Amino acid sequence: EAGVVQSPRYKIIEKKQPVAFWCNPISGHNTLYWYLQNLGQGPELLIRYENEEAVDDSQLPKDRFSAERLKGVDSTLKIQPAELGDSAVYLCASSLGYRDHEQYFGPGTRLTVT
Amino acid sequence: GDSVTQMEGPVTLSEEAFLTINCTYTATGYPSLFWYVQYPGEGLQLLLKATKADDKGSNKGFEATYRKETTSFHLEKGSVQVSDSAVYFCALLGGYQKVTFGIGTKLQVIP
Repeated sequence: EAGVVQSPRYKIIEKKQPVAFWCNPISGHNTLYWYLQNLGQGPELLIRYENEEAVDDSQLPKDRFSAERLKGVDSTLKIQPAELGDSAVYLCASSLGYRDHEQYFGPGTRLTVT
Repeated sequence: GDSVTQMEGPVTLSEEAFLTINCTYTATGYPSLFWYVQYPGEGLQLLLKATKADDKGSNKGFEATYRKETTSFHLEKGSVQVSDSAVYFCALLGGYQKVTFGIGTKLQVIP
């Protein structure tokens, strides 16, 4: 069974440029999460989807970040415009449902903003 | 809000040494507790979990017991191997089904 797929794995952009990350969750997993992980820190939730509905986006900086999950499967996280402080690893995870205790993580996208 | 505090690393041990990584938490209600592991170049993966007080989670020789009286979930292993070198994250699933992670503890096991 394929795990959570993320692309790209690495991205280097200049500040003020837009960037997008893509995530394909495990087949059948209704719940999808985007996390931000700064160096030396644990993951912090940005947004959680139940199918195509964003049920928790309280930590998503909505002035520059946006996300979508069309058809309740793949998801895209976008930053526009990127700032130096956005340099981090962006993790996607999925689970069968929000009550499921186990989240399966992708390898992450490492973003460097110069 | 919920929070998780775990010991900072890095922790360096010789092979076959005993491992303890401390984790304490603050949460309302009765959270579920987890240890995740991140091997170099890989994503986080669930190592073990406990969903109620006094439960013991175990996997791959690692153990952790949910201690409500001390709000702790310390990770232990009796004899570590070089292949255990990784970053270990303590986490809790609290209110509103939100997972809160600790900062991670890097473990390095030397032969």
